[in-house]
Amino acid sequence: KAGVTQTPRYLIKTRGQQVTLSCSPISGHRSVSWYQQTPGQGLQFLFEYFSETQRNKGNFPGRFSGRQFSNSRSEMNVSTLELGDSALYLCASSSRGDEQFFGPGTRLTVL
Amino acid sequence: KQEVTQIPAALSVPEGENLVLNCSFTDSAIYNLQWFRQDPGKGLTSLLLIQSSQREQTSGRLNASLDKSSGRSTLYIAASQPGDSATYLCAVTTDSWGKFQFGAGTQVVVTP
Repeated sequence: KAGVTQTPRYLIKTRGQQVTLSCSPISGHRSVSWYQQTPGQGLQFLFEYFSETQRNKGNFPGRFSGRQFSNSRSEMNVSTLELGDSALYLCASSSRGDEQFFGPGTRLTVL
Repeated sequence: KQEVTQIPAALSVPEGENLVLNCSFTDSAIYNLQWFRQDPGKGLTSLLLIQSSQREQTSGRLNASLDKSSGRSTLYIAASQPGDSATYLCAVTTDSWGKFQFGAGTQVVVTP
């Protein structure tokens, strides 16, 4: 069974731009969660989607948004990028929101 | 608000020793607790999931215990190997909606 895939793996953007990251969950998994990992704050929960519905949201500004498609693939979008958005963005999938399986992450650098 | 703490932040042991990693959480009403390892610059690898009704889980050299009443979980790794060098993270959730609260991790170095 293929694992969680994330694209792209690396991104370099400048302040003010927007970015879209993609996550394909394990086949059959309907829950996708997104996390931001930085050296200073560690792993922080962004949001979780299940069957195209956002069920849970972390404490991030509205510039961070996401969606899930009918095939369970998910995208997250960050608008008006700031330097502090530089981070490793991780996506996790699970069958019902229980055991989480993580992808390799997307490393975003904002210049 | 749930807070997860992992002590120590770093640990170095010689090969062959057993590893004991600690995780504590402030809200005992957890749904699941999961242990992960992370290699530098990589994603997280799931090690063990303990559901709230369970006291422990085992997989090979790994054993994790859960004591909800005291808000603690311990990960034991028997007979450590240099390949066990990584950062180990524990995470808890209070519902089935995929929101895990992570600890800051314990960075482990196993020296040959």
